[in-house]
Amino acid sequence: EAGVTQFPSHSVIEKGQTVTLRCDPISGHDNLYWYRRVMGKEIKFLLHFVKESKQDESGMPNNRFLAERTGGTYSTLKVQPAELEDSGVYFCASSPRTSGSGQYFGPGTRLTVT
Amino acid sequence: QKEVEQNSGPLSVPEGAIASLNCTYSDRGSQSFFWYRQYSGKSPELIMSIYSNGDKEDGRFTAQLNKASQYVSLLIRDSQPSDSATYLCAVNINSGGSNYKLTFGKGTLLTVNP
Repeated sequence: EAGVTQFPSHSVIEKGQTVTLRCDPISGHDNLYWYRRVMGKEIKFLLHFVKESKQDESGMPNNRFLAERTGGTYSTLKVQPAELEDSGVYFCASSPRTSGSGQYFGPGTRLTVT
Repeated sequence: QKEVEQNSGPLSVPEGAIASLNCTYSDRGSQSFFWYRQYSGKSPELIMSIYSNGDKEDGRFTAQLNKASQYVSLLIRDSQPSDSATYLCAVNINSGGSNYKLTFGKGTLLTVNP
């Protein structure tokens, strides 16, 4: 069974540019999450999809971040315009439908904003 | 008070010893607890989940949960150099939004010396 995949693995952009991150969850997992880890800090929750619906986006930093999950399959996270403080590793995770089950993480996208 | 707290370490143990990793959490209503292992530059890997008070064993790993004291621990028996990694404690904390999102500690760096 394929795990969670993310693309790209690394992105370097200039302040003010736009970047789109993609996540493909484990097949059959209804729940998809985005997390972020900035240097020196713990992993922080950004948002949670159940199929194509946003269940909780309380962790999104501001309106420069836009997440979508069209058709309830893969998800994209767009940052526009990027700021220096957006640098970090963005993880996607997925889990089955059952509440409280463990989440399986993708390899992450390392975003560097210069 | 941080929601999930771990000693950052590093924790150093000799090969073959028992490594003990501890985690405390703030929300008494939390129901699901997870341990993730993260090798440097890699994604978090789910290794244990625990939902009820007591011990849960899986191979060389034992998770222990005490909801009254609000702590969860991970024991690694017969530690191997390949166990050297950062261990992340994660908790489903109910905060009014999704009860699926994970709140992470900063992690404990474990080094197993040959």
